[in-house]
Amino acid sequence: NAGVTQTPKFRILKIGQSMTLQCAQDMNHNYMYWYRQDPGMGLKLIYYSVGAGITDKGEVPNGYNVSRSTTEDFPLRLELAAPSQTSVYFCASTLGGSEQFFGPGTRLTVL
Amino acid sequence: QKEVEQNSGPLSVPEGAIASLNCTYSDRGSQSFFWYRQYSGKSPELIMSIYSNGDKEDGRFTAQLNKASQYVSLLIRDSQPSDSATYLCAVWNNAGNMLTFGGGTRLMVKP
Repeated sequence: NAGVTQTPKFRILKIGQSMTLQCAQDMNHNYMYWYRQDPGMGLKLIYYSVGAGITDKGEVPNGYNVSRSTTEDFPLRLELAAPSQTSVYFCASTLGGSEQFFGPGTRLTVL
Repeated sequence: QKEVEQNSGPLSVPEGAIASLNCTYSDRGSQSFFWYRQYSGKSPELIMSIYSNGDKEDGRFTAQLNKASQYVSLLIRDSQPSDSATYLCAVWNNAGNMLTFGGGTRLMVKP
């Protein structure tokens, strides 16, 4: 099993550009999550999904969108990138109530 | 608002000593508890999970849970410099379908 995979590993965006961060898991987990982590800070939940076709907002959803068309994939869309979105983004998955596994992260810089 | 609190540290211990990391949580409905280790620039890695009151040991790690006091701790015996990292406490509540993370405690083990 590859576990949770994320692409790209690094990305530099200009202000106003858009991009999609990809996340996939091969563990048949129904719950998936997107977090951001600013330098020296904790994890903040952006969006999550409890199954295909179901998504919900977390603590910091503004400026982001998600979709969940399959169990495996949970892409995060950034529209009109802003410097405040410079961060490391982690995707995670779990069966629910059990261990949550993280992807390697995407380091995003908005200039 | 559900909260998970940790002392941010840094907690400095000499090599070979016991490191004690503490976490308190506010939601009495919490049912599952996890400790993650995060090295600088890496994603969080699950190291311990605990679901019932008492102690759970895994190698040099012991997790302790006291639901009455809403307190969970992690003991690291025979601390090694390679244990130097940030340790994140996380709490799962079925009603919320998500993990709530503490801000993390930075541990430094000095040779």
